[in-house]
Amino acid sequence: GNSVTQMEGPVTLSEEAFLTINCTYTATGYPSLFWYVQYPGEGLQLLLKATKADDKGSNKGFEATYRKETTSFHLEKGSVQVSDSAVYFCALTPKAAGNKLTFGGGTRVLVKP
Amino acid sequence: GAGVSQSPRYKVAKRGQDVALRCDPISGHVSLFWYQQALGQGPEFLTYFQNEAQLDKSGLPSDRFFAERPEGSVSTLKIQRTQQEDSAVYLCASSLDGTGWEKLFFGSGTQLSVL
Repeated sequence: GNSVTQMEGPVTLSEEAFLTINCTYTATGYPSLFWYVQYPGEGLQLLLKATKADDKGSNKGFEATYRKETTSFHLEKGSVQVSDSAVYFCALTPKAAGNKLTFGGGTRVLVKP
Repeated sequence: GAGVSQSPRYKVAKRGQDVALRCDPISGHVSLFWYQQALGQGPEFLTYFQNEAQLDKSGLPSDRFFAERPEGSVSTLKIQRTQQEDSAVYLCASSLDGTGWEKLFFGSGTQLSVL
């Protein structure tokens, strides 16, 4: 079946530090890959996505590249801000399944001033 | 409305009680999804509607769980004879079209605690 594994948190960083959250997946075929973010007290929001191998998704300074060879979709940001403190979820959906997402367990990120 | 609205925000139920959780999707959105998020875990798919048709209910954990969307807008997730393992945040999400590929908008969820 489909599954997503991401690094456990919490990840604690200082402002302006470099952030990486690892995500690997197992799926048949070539799924679409997503990163969602959940800010405190808010609903999940789509952060970025990639739909085919070697695609790079980017938004708000975050980037992730779809690596088919390593079945990975690691999230990176070069300089984090306090406002980036949130829980980040990696997710996938097979091509035929639309928005029926399989999520990873989430990684809590705390950025300190 | 401006976003996906869920009510109640919090629900405490005694074991064995029935509960009903409501979701108001964004007006005009065709697709509606329910997800279950246990504490410290990622959301898990429960069921999917396209308008009033429930096209996929493969994620419903037992026959105690029932969802409906009779007029293709508001949806209700009902859990009968609640058990402690039903404690979770229940998320509703909607998207504009019926393909399921348009951007998903999530509500803030209903946190259910079964005592």
